[in-house]
Amino acid sequence: QVQLVESGGGVVQPGRSLRLSCAASGFTFSSYGMHWVRQAPGKGLEWVAFISSDGNNKYYADSVKGRFTISRDNSKKTLYVQMNSLRAEDTAVYYCARDIGMDIWGQGTTVTVSS
Amino acid sequence: EIVLTQSPATLSLSPGERATLSCRASQSVSSYLAWYQQKPGQAPRLLIYDASNRATGIPARFSGSGSGTDYTLTISSLEPEDFAVYYCQQRSNWPLTFGPGTKVDIK
Repeated sequence: QVQLVESGGGVVQPGRSLRLSCAASGFTFSSYGMHWVRQAPGKGLEWVAFISSDGNNKYYADSVKGRFTISRDNSKKTLYVQMNSLRAEDTAVYYCARDIGMDIWGQGTTVTVSS
Repeated sequence: EIVLTQSPATLSLSPGERATLSCRASQSVSSYLAWYQQKPGQAPRLLIYDASNRATGIPARFSGSGSGTDYTLTISSLEPEDFAVYYCQQRSNWPLTFGPGTKVDIK
C-alpha cells in the first residue's frame, strides 16, 4: 500500500545537526513532489520545505531557510531533510507528505532540541 | 506570506448536528485551498483539495466551498469519529501556510 515512513528523530543539543529520512513505498516516488511539515508540541501545523519530483526546485519556510536543506534520492525512494544549527523552537514532530496536495502523510518522527 | 484565519477556534456540537468551519485568507488563494483533519496522536488526513474536491475515500458528508479569500468546510451530520481538529492550508503562494485550526468537540 501507499506508505511514507519517517525516521531519524531524537534528542539533540542546540546548535547541533540532525538528518531526517522519509522512505516511500507503494507508489512511483520519482513522479511526486514532497514536503516536510512540522508540529510543535500542542501547536498547529507548520509547512517546512518542498522539493519537486526531479529535485530541481526547492522552497523553504523563512523560519528554516539557510539552516535546513531538503533533498531526495529517487533511486532509494527516500526524502531527506538536513537540519543544521538546531534551535529549541525546532522541537516538533516532523512529517513528510506527498505531492503538492499533501494527500499522503507519514506517521511523523519527533525531534527534541534541548541541552 | 498569506495568512489564514480560521473561525471559530472551537466548535462544540452534538453527533448528528451540522458543522460549518470557516477559513479566511489575507489575499486571494484562487481556490488553492485544502482542508485536513487531525486526531490526537495521528498524522493529518487530507479531506478536501482545491476548495471543493473530496480526497479519495472521504465520506460525502464532508464538503468544501468558497472562492477568493473565503472558504467553508461543512460536515453535514457529525459522526463520533469526526470530532477532531481541522486545518485549512493554501498552496497558491510560497511559502505554503496553514490556518491555526478549528477544534470540533463534543457538546
